[in-house]
Amino acid sequence: SQKIEQNSEALNIQEGKTATLTCNYTNYSPAYLQWYRQDPGRGPVFLLLIRENEKEKRKERLKVTFDTTLKQSLFHITASQPADSATYLCALGTFTGNQFYFGTGTSLTVIP
Amino acid sequence: DADVTQTPRNRITKTGKRIMLECSQTKGHDRMYWYRQDPGLGLRLIYYSFDVKDINKGEISDGYSVSRQAQAKFSLSLESAIPNQTALYFCATSEGGETQYFGPGTRLLVL
Repeated sequence: SQKIEQNSEALNIQEGKTATLTCNYTNYSPAYLQWYRQDPGRGPVFLLLIRENEKEKRKERLKVTFDTTLKQSLFHITASQPADSATYLCALGTFTGNQFYFGTGTSLTVIP
Repeated sequence: DADVTQTPRNRITKTGKRIMLECSQTKGHDRMYWYRQDPGLGLRLIYYSFDVKDINKGEISDGYSVSRQAQAKFSLSLESAIPNQTALYFCATSEGGETQYFGPGTRLLVL
């Protein structure tokens, strides 16, 4: 069956450290993978997109890697800040471009 | 995101009632989506539309219907609400099928 799995537990890290979140998938052939941030009571907000032929993408303190052999994406936040505390969702997009498939999310707390 | 609005933001209804959730967007995007979010299950797609004449079922369309009244408006209806439709509902838009822009959500409770 198709599955998208993110860190099963909440992640707590100290301010200033690098947070690393994982997204693993099975039985999908994604054209691209996206990461979204969701704050409590709000809709997800797009952060980064990486295509299946790309290995790494960066945006300010954010870095995403995509390994289609391992079927995994890693999402890194460097020099983390308490304001980075949120739930982070990964989403797969298919080659048909019709639908998106979301993971369940990882809750990140950055401790001052 | 003010570009995508949803009404109502909160709704309590009773089993068997018909309700409609509305979504409007000012982004000018062609594609619109309805999702529900449940704890532990993530976001699941209910319906999506690529233009006014194009409506498609998503992963969990049973018990729901939609209407695309205009490019900017996409409504979700629960014909006869049941308690397991209690969830957080999100509307989203997309231009070209990649990045999605989500509304603030509607919290629905079915008693």
